[in-house]
Amino acid sequence: GDSVTQMEGPVTLSEEAFLTINCTYTATGYPSLFWYVQYPGEGLQLLLKATKADDKGSNKGFEATYRKETTSFHLEKGSVQVSDSAVYFCALSDRGSTLGRLYFGRGTQLTVWP
Amino acid sequence: DAGVTQSPTHLIKTRGQQVTLRCSPISGHKSVSWYQQVLGQGPQFIFQYYEKEERGRGNFPDRFSARQFPNYSSELNVNALLLGDSALYLCASSLTDRGRGETQYFGPGTRLLVL
Repeated sequence: GDSVTQMEGPVTLSEEAFLTINCTYTATGYPSLFWYVQYPGEGLQLLLKATKADDKGSNKGFEATYRKETTSFHLEKGSVQVSDSAVYFCALSDRGSTLGRLYFGRGTQLTVWP
Repeated sequence: DAGVTQSPTHLIKTRGQQVTLRCSPISGHKSVSWYQQVLGQGPQFIFQYYEKEERGRGNFPDRFSARQFPNYSSELNVNALLLGDSALYLCASSLTDRGRGETQYFGPGTRLLVL
């Protein structure tokens, strides 16, 4: 079945440090891939997405590239800010499915210190 | 445009009680999905509704039910509450019901505590 595996957290970084959060997936079909962010006490916000192999999603300085050969969609940011502190979720949906359900990873807690 | 709205924001119930959670999708969106997020975990799919019909169901017991109204808003009902039902319940809306890279937009959630 479809699933997503994220690197275990929490991740603690100093401001302006480089961020990588690893995400790998298993899918029976041809998935679309997403990163969602959840700030404390809030719901999920879409951060970026990619719908086909080699696509790069980007937003707010975050980037992730859809790597079909390694079944990965790692999230990166060159210089994190305190305001980036949140929980990050990698997710997939099966583009060939008649159902638009999302499969989420467990989430990675990021804390950025000034 | 307003985003996805959910009510109530917080709820406290006791075991055995029943609860109804409500969701209004983004204007123009015809699909609503429900997810359960237990503390420290990623959201788990419960239901998807499109054009008032159930399109899919996750691995949840029959105590969970839902419906979608003609204006595309939706209700999630949980009967005979258990302690393990304590979670953040998230509603998401999208234009259609297909998983072709279409974005699902999430509401702020309803936090349910079962005592």
